[in-house]
Order: sequence, then structure tokens, then C-alpha cells
Amino acid sequence: DQQVKQNSPSLSVQEGRISILNCDYTNSMFDYFLWYKKYPAEGPTFLISISSIKDKNEDGRFTVFLNKSAKHLSLHIVPSQPGDSAVYFCAASGIQGAQKLVFGQGTRLTINP
Amino acid sequence: NAGVMQNPRHLVRRRGQEARLRCSPMKGHSHVYWYRQLPEEGLKFMVYLQKENIIDESGMPKERFSAEFPKEGPSILRIQQVVRGDSAAYFCASSQRRGGDTGELFFGEGSRLTVL
Repeated sequence: DQQVKQNSPSLSVQEGRISILNCDYTNSMFDYFLWYKKYPAEGPTFLISISSIKDKNEDGRFTVFLNKSAKHLSLHIVPSQPGDSAVYFCAASGIQGAQKLVFGQGTRLTINP
Repeated sequence: NAGVMQNPRHLVRRRGQEARLRCSPMKGHSHVYWYRQLPEEGLKFMVYLQKENIIDESGMPKERFSAEFPKEGPSILRIQQVVRGDSAAYFCASSQRRGGDTGELFFGEGSRLTVL
């Protein structure tokens, strides 16, 4: 049972344009959502998070949007840079805290020069 | 300040052998989490520990897998009698307190287990 889904395994974007990565979830008990970035042979690194009481959180070039009614969140990266090429994981946690982050399958983002 | 340290980075074992993976959390962090990533999949929660206590092991297979986080020393994930299906990347993460301020966990670089 995949509670967090990233339906696009890969995404290719031109440098300077906007990258939009999508994530859907099924468990309405999730109340915290995070995005992690992962380079090959490295561990995931935290990018940005959002709690369920908000619908938007911004940090520099990264913005996360949450639509609770649709159980959908998205990560916007603008402008996209070559260094953004990586695998992006969406993750969610429930009221108990982050000890059980539930991850999506990941989306491989490639930024083309 | 070193981040989460995992070793070994790569481990090769034959079927039936034991695998021990070690994790030293970030300085000041007392909460440790283990996740497993199978090829082409996301990370799956295995176990959450604090010093000398297993808090949540709901993601651990019932047999052959065990974890500990002793008072002194690193956390250890132990896999007995490994099988080919255990081949995966095992990631350790830590936080200063339960869940961290933003739910953020700090991950190590992972230990890649290959079972021949």
C-alpha cells in the first residue's frame, strides 16, 4: 500500500525554467510533509517542509504547495539550475512525529543546459 | 562537526552470513532511525531508537533483523543469515529530539549491502 506516491519517475527541464515535482498521498492523518534531495551514492538531504496548517512555504528558489483537500503537494524550483539535477523524494509524517517518515518512490530531475 | 557517519559504505556478504551496519549520529543527537532503500524504490522506515531503547520497530522484518543503540558507541543494525533480497542501501538518520524542529531528519550516506 503506497501511501505517498510520486507518479513521475523522471522529469527533464531546461536550465532557468521552472521545475514542478508532484506528490500525492492517501492517508489523511499525515500532517507534516517534507522534500528531500538525493545525489547518487549520497544520503538524502532535507530541502523544505510544510505543515498541514499551511498551504505554502517558500525558501529561496524552492516553494512547496499543499492542497489538503486534494491530498496533493508540489515542489517548485525556479529558476532551475544544473546543480538541481538529483532524485527528489516527497515524505510525510503523522501526528506522532517524524520517526516514521513515509517516502514516495522519488522523481529523477534532470536540468538541461 | 561531522554529520551522520555510517560504515561500512559497502559490504558484500554471501548468503547465510551476518551483516553488521554501524551508525554514529550527529553530535548532540540522541534519536536514531534506520531506513532501507531497495533498487528503484523510496526509503522504507525500519526502526527508531533512542539510547538503550527501541522506540518503534514496526518496520523491521520479524526475523533475522535486529537493532541496538547502546549507551556508548554507535547504533548497529544486524542482519543474520542474509539472503539475496536483503541487498539494498541502508540509511541511518538522526535528530536532536523526536522528529526534529521541522520534522527534519539528517541522513548518513548509507551502507550498501550486496548479498551474493
